[in-house]
Amino acid sequence: NAGVMQNPRHLVRRRGQEARLRCSPMKGHSHVYWYRQLPEEGLKFMVYLQKENIIDESGMPKERFSAEFPKEGPSILRIQQVVRGDSAAYFCASSAPRQLNTEAFFGQGTRLTVV
Amino acid sequence: AQRVTQPEKLLSVFKGAPVELKCNYSYSGSPELFWYVQYSRQRLQLLLRHISRESIKGFTADLNKGETSFHLKKPFAQEEDSAMYYCALSPPGGSNYKLTFGKGTLLTVNP
Repeated sequence: NAGVMQNPRHLVRRRGQEARLRCSPMKGHSHVYWYRQLPEEGLKFMVYLQKENIIDESGMPKERFSAEFPKEGPSILRIQQVVRGDSAAYFCASSAPRQLNTEAFFGQGTRLTVV
Repeated sequence: AQRVTQPEKLLSVFKGAPVELKCNYSYSGSPELFWYVQYSRQRLQLLLRHISRESIKGFTADLNKGETSFHLKKPFAQEEDSAMYYCALSPPGGSNYKLTFGKGTLLTVNP
């Protein structure tokens, strides 16, 4: 089991472009979570998805950000019209169907730089 | 607003010495608290959670609600403990994915 895979590891985008970050969960995991780490800050929750469903998007910025987890393929975090303030490390985690104390396993992150 | 504060960015100790990594939190209510660790070139992983009252790799953490602290301790540090340590909280109940992390403390254990 290769663990949670995120790609790309590094992404550079110009202001106004779109950024697409991918997350493949661990085998057997159907729950995906995205977190953002702004420079000099700790990670913060963005969104929780199951296959084809957004369960909790309370941490997502209201505009330009969206996330999906289709029936087939990886979860995608999409940022439209990126701005310099979107520069951050974006981490994905996955877990098995949730029970009390379910542990989520993290990917290595995607570092987005907006120039 | 919920917040996790780790006052020390860097902490350096010698092998065999006790180590304490500090964590204070701000939350209206009783959150769930966690310590995560990231070893060099590895992924972030859960070290321990307060509800389990467990000791992992010799580390323990005690929740002090009066001081709103959740410091991580180990009586005798080992070189392999060198890593980045993050304290985190989540709302109580079933939302333990809604994690807010501190900025982390880099622990270096010298031989």
